[in-house]
Amino acid sequence: EVQMVESGGDLIQPGRSLRLSCTISGFKFGDYAISWIRQAPGRGLEWVGFIRSKAYGGTTEYAASVKGRFSISGDESRSVAYLQMDSLKSDDTAVYYCVREDWEQLGGAFDIWGQGTMVTVS
Amino acid sequence: SYVLTQSPSVSAAPGATANITCGGHNIGSKNIHWYQHKPGQAPVLVIYYDTDRPSGIPERFSGSNSGGTATLTINRVEAGDEADYYCQVWDLYSDHVFGPGTKLTVL
Repeated sequence: EVQMVESGGDLIQPGRSLRLSCTISGFKFGDYAISWIRQAPGRGLEWVGFIRSKAYGGTTEYAASVKGRFSISGDESRSVAYLQMDSLKSDDTAVYYCVREDWEQLGGAFDIWGQGTMVTVS
Repeated sequence: SYVLTQSPSVSAAPGATANITCGGHNIGSKNIHWYQHKPGQAPVLVIYYDTDRPSGIPERFSGSNSGGTATLTINRVEAGDEADYYCQVWDLYSDHVFGPGTKLTVL
């Protein structure tokens, strides 16, 4: 079964750091781009950043709101993607989803979503 | 940065048709994807590449992208369709962009 499971969400003070993990099963990490997407309370979906597939160099891009504070990486051997969040602000409070992007078949649509993990900055 | 617009809310009676629209600059040149998001659940892809349905999505869901507007159409609306719906595109300069979402209320 294709699945993505996030972990690591927590209540954390402003200015601190937190790392979220996304454990992948049913497909090979590196074969797809992986995005992190968040939803703040009462707000819509916001793309945070992604790591490209190995075929596209495994490079990363970030939304302006998190650039310089957040970083995405992955461990192919463990099939885990990470979202490192530094200098956290109250505006970063949200449910964070890790999501698979399918560029080959679906034109970059997000086809597999985790259940999300809550990060509260307070 | 690229911006998508959506009406905040749409309502439809059971059995009726709901049209949820998405606007943006030169949107006809972009691939539009649509997601259904119910409270407490992960979002679900319902339309990709403007018009295509992933496996498992009912035929009642369809999409179009013409005349300067992308539209998600839900035919024969059911109570279980009540959710927030988001359009999404990839833009070369803004990366992934979501619309603000439309809340579908089934009357």
